[in-house]
Amino acid sequence: RKEVEQDPGPFNVPEGATVAFNCTYSNSASQSFFWYRQDCRKEPKLLMSVYSSGNEDGRFTAQLNRASQYISLLIRDSKLSDSATYLCVGSSGGSYIPTFGRGTSLIVHP
Amino acid sequence: ETGVTQSPTHLIKTRGQQVTLRCSSQSGHNTVSWYQQALGQGPQFIFQYYREEENGRGNFPPRFSGLQFPNYSSELNVNALELDDSALYLCASSIKQGHYNSPLHFGNGTRLTVT
Repeated sequence: RKEVEQDPGPFNVPEGATVAFNCTYSNSASQSFFWYRQDCRKEPKLLMSVYSSGNEDGRFTAQLNRASQYISLLIRDSKLSDSATYLCVGSSGGSYIPTFGRGTSLIVHP
Repeated sequence: ETGVTQSPTHLIKTRGQQVTLRCSSQSGHNTVSWYQQALGQGPQFIFQYYREEENGRGNFPPRFSGLQFPNYSSELNVNALELDDSALYLCASSIKQGHYNSPLHFGNGTRLTVT
């Protein structure tokens, strides 16, 4: 089983839709979680950190569920510019090495 | 604030050759991590350096090696290149203080093609 798993999608949604991604992690000792956004042929960029209490930034909300070992990302009122790959990251091992999922592709269409 | 810079941006090598990729950390960051990203996959962890020592290593063979310098810049060396080494190589810097680890900040990457 991979340490961090994501549904690769693609998720095809119309503008204005609400879309949610989940990501599961296998290491119960993982401490730090993040969502990154990656545009085609570009480097990943930090979207938001995921705190135990949840985190909201504008149209984006991230949640952590330690009991079920998953994190989620909710995007409200999708924009065309939200089209990208969203990477889930959990830290693993005693050295807190960030481990990436394979990413979920989001396509927002007019 | 200077971000993470990587060089070169693109590179074409022949199978069996050796390659060195370079990375300058973001100002104030003490940790460098290297990732390999194949097309359609997430970044795969190669290794991490903290205070010039290897702090963790992923599932990559010994022909992948690295260095971190006193100014926190870093190199990734790959010997005996194979066709499957063709990928985007990403360097990311971060801050490690005790158990606190800041998020990774990535460079633009080096796209390596092995023919």
